[in-house]
Amino acid sequence: EAQVTQNPRYLITVTGKKLTVTCSQNMNHEYMSWYRQDPGLGLRQIYYSMNVEVTDKGDVPEGYKVSRKEKRNFPLILESPSPNQTSLYFCASMKGRGELGPLHFGNGTRLTVT
Amino acid sequence: GESVGLHLPTLSVQEGDNSIINCAYSNSASDYFIWYKQESGKGPQFIIDIRSNMDKRQGQRVTVLLNKTVKHLSLQIAATQPGDSAVYFCAETISGGSYIPTFGRGTSLIVHP
Repeated sequence: EAQVTQNPRYLITVTGKKLTVTCSQNMNHEYMSWYRQDPGLGLRQIYYSMNVEVTDKGDVPEGYKVSRKEKRNFPLILESPSPNQTSLYFCASMKGRGELGPLHFGNGTRLTVT
Repeated sequence: GESVGLHLPTLSVQEGDNSIINCAYSNSASDYFIWYKQESGKGPQFIIDIRSNMDKRQGQRVTVLLNKTVKHLSLQIAATQPGDSAVYFCAETISGGSYIPTFGRGTSLIVHP
């Protein structure tokens, strides 16, 4: 089944404790992206990647890191989480430049930073 | 379930009615548009798309209408069912640019049995 898988679904952590949210897609998509979703603010893009070893900042990149060492994986790293990073996070992928198509989303990671 | 948004525009309908969800997009250069459905506790799911060379596209129980003159997109759902209750997002993309979609804030559809 074609899908985007992110883990964990729920995560509670404390301020300053490094964490990684994993994302993997099995559709051979070139483009991958991370979003955060907050009440009243909609979906905001954190980082995106057009292809392996190519990453770019989105609208709200502060406090986040990503890497794209393989085509299928795009982990989101919070080196020193803070309470304002409490949010619902989505990973998404699509085919990539030159091919119009929809984003495929994972089911989300609910992060709480205390 | 998890709330995906507070203060979202809300549309309440009775089961069996037709629903129309509207979206105003921002960039006149956008030429590819997508509607997504987000159910509680899940990620957004693709419903239907339309390119700017079309005014209308139909799917199963859904129709998307595009009015480029006023930069307006609508999603029509026929014979709305309780399972259609969700938040609906439109997204616009410029095909000659980065292909990165820009999302609208969303509309919450509530279907009463």
